[in-house]
Amino acid sequence: TQLLEQSPQFLSIQEGENLTVYCNSSSVFSSLQWYRQEPGEGPVLLVTVVTGGEVKKLKRLTFQFGDARKDSSLHITAAQPGDTGLYLCAGTPAQGGSEKLVFGKGTKLTVNP
Amino acid sequence: DVKVTQSSRYLVKRTGEKVFLECVQDMDHENMFWYRQDPGLGLRLIYFSYDVKMKEKGDIPEGYSVSREKKERFSLILESASTNQTSMYLCASSLYYNEQFFGPGTRLTVL
Repeated sequence: TQLLEQSPQFLSIQEGENLTVYCNSSSVFSSLQWYRQEPGEGPVLLVTVVTGGEVKKLKRLTFQFGDARKDSSLHITAAQPGDTGLYLCAGTPAQGGSEKLVFGKGTKLTVNP
Repeated sequence: DVKVTQSSRYLVKRTGEKVFLECVQDMDHENMFWYRQDPGLGLRLIYFSYDVKMKEKGDIPEGYSVSREKKERFSLILESASTNQTSMYLCASSLYYNEQFFGPGTRLTVL
C-alpha cells in the first residue's frame, strides 16, 4: 500500500507566524498535489509538482518536492486567518500507471487573529 | 475555470432508501471520481470512471454503484442506504497529472 503520511495532524498558530507542514512516503510519486479544504467545502487544488527538487511559490506559500520524489513540504510565511483550513497532499504513484490519487489524511491548520 | 457541481449540499435519508447523488462537470474531463470523507479516515475512493459507460471500483465500493451515461455526468447510487453511509461525499474530475477538481460536496445523513 502506498501511503502518504502528513504531519503535523493539527497546527494552531498566531497570525504572522511561519509554518511548515510535511507529506512523506516510502514510495516514489510521479507527481504530487497540494489541496486546501475549508469546512463544509470540497478541496481546492493549490499546486502540482512533478520534478524532483522542484520548488513552486504561490504568494506566501512555498511548495517543495523532494529530490527522490518521495516527500513534499508546504511552507507558509506570515500566516493569515484566511489560511485556515485542511491541507491535503495527494500523489500519483510512479508504479502502476493509474489515474488514481493517493491522499494523505491532512493537516488541519488554524490561524488565530 | 473548471466547475464541478453536485446536486445537493445536504441530504437526509432513511435507512433502506435508494439514494442518488449527481455530479456534473463542465470542462470535458475524461476522468471522474466519487469519494467519501470521514473524520480520521481522510478521503476514500468509492468508484471512478475513465470514460462514458466505463467504471472501476475504488477502495470501498461495497454498498454503492455508479452510472456514467454522459461524459459530463457521474452518478453515485446507494442501493439501500445504511447509517454507516452517513458521510461527506465528494465528486471530482480530472484531465492531466491527476489534477482533480472537486465539487462542493454533499453531506448525507442516513437516519
